[in-house]
Amino acid sequence: AQSVTQLDSHVSVSEGTPVLLRCNYSSSYSPSLFWYVQHPNKGLQLLLKYTSAATLVKGINGFEAEFKKSETSFHLTKPSAHMSDAAEYFCVAMDSWGKLQFGAGTQVVVTP
Amino acid sequence: GAVVSQHPSWVICKSGTSVKIECRSLDFQATTMFWYRQFPKQSLMLMATSNEGSKATYEQGVEKDKFLINHASLTLSTLTVTSAHPEDSSFYICSARSGNPNTEAFFGQGTRLTVV
Repeated sequence: AQSVTQLDSHVSVSEGTPVLLRCNYSSSYSPSLFWYVQHPNKGLQLLLKYTSAATLVKGINGFEAEFKKSETSFHLTKPSAHMSDAAEYFCVAMDSWGKLQFGAGTQVVVTP
Repeated sequence: GAVVSQHPSWVICKSGTSVKIECRSLDFQATTMFWYRQFPKQSLMLMATSNEGSKATYEQGVEKDKFLINHASLTLSTLTVTSAHPEDSSFYICSARSGNPNTEAFFGQGTRLTVV
């Protein structure tokens, strides 16, 4: 069985400062990992995905994430937060049957 | 990326009535579709997985007769909430995937259901 833990339910940052969203996974193998963003009352938009290629993954809107097997982590970062980054972020693991396991989500608030 | 369209985006219905939500893959053939439910400020909970032409596989605790899922074609899956009650009010999201299990799943924009 696999599980995904997002370590922060809420992150507040000032505009222009770095963003760090933490995610740890547990799995008996190296899963495919994703980060999705959800704006209020909207569906999910894929930010980036890791599928056992490069461990540093670059996504859309300046986000990137690094897969660290030794730490079982897949933290999401962005060097400079923008007001439009305020949203809910989900770390997701996919098992070998294609089933998605969602983390609990991290609400990001960006202050001017 | 591929486009998944969900309709309606919001619906209000009376208690006891049924409501149907559609999920369409617009530019690819979706061999597998997933239905999720999301409560306010919570994560997505998988309700069921459907493969085209076969019966849906429901997650534990999800009532099959309450949430009817049909995946009759490679581009359309429907979720029907039967005899809706206020506690069924929620945000429902579908996702669709083509090919093997390791391919990416694309999400619809979600449906806000309010039962009054």
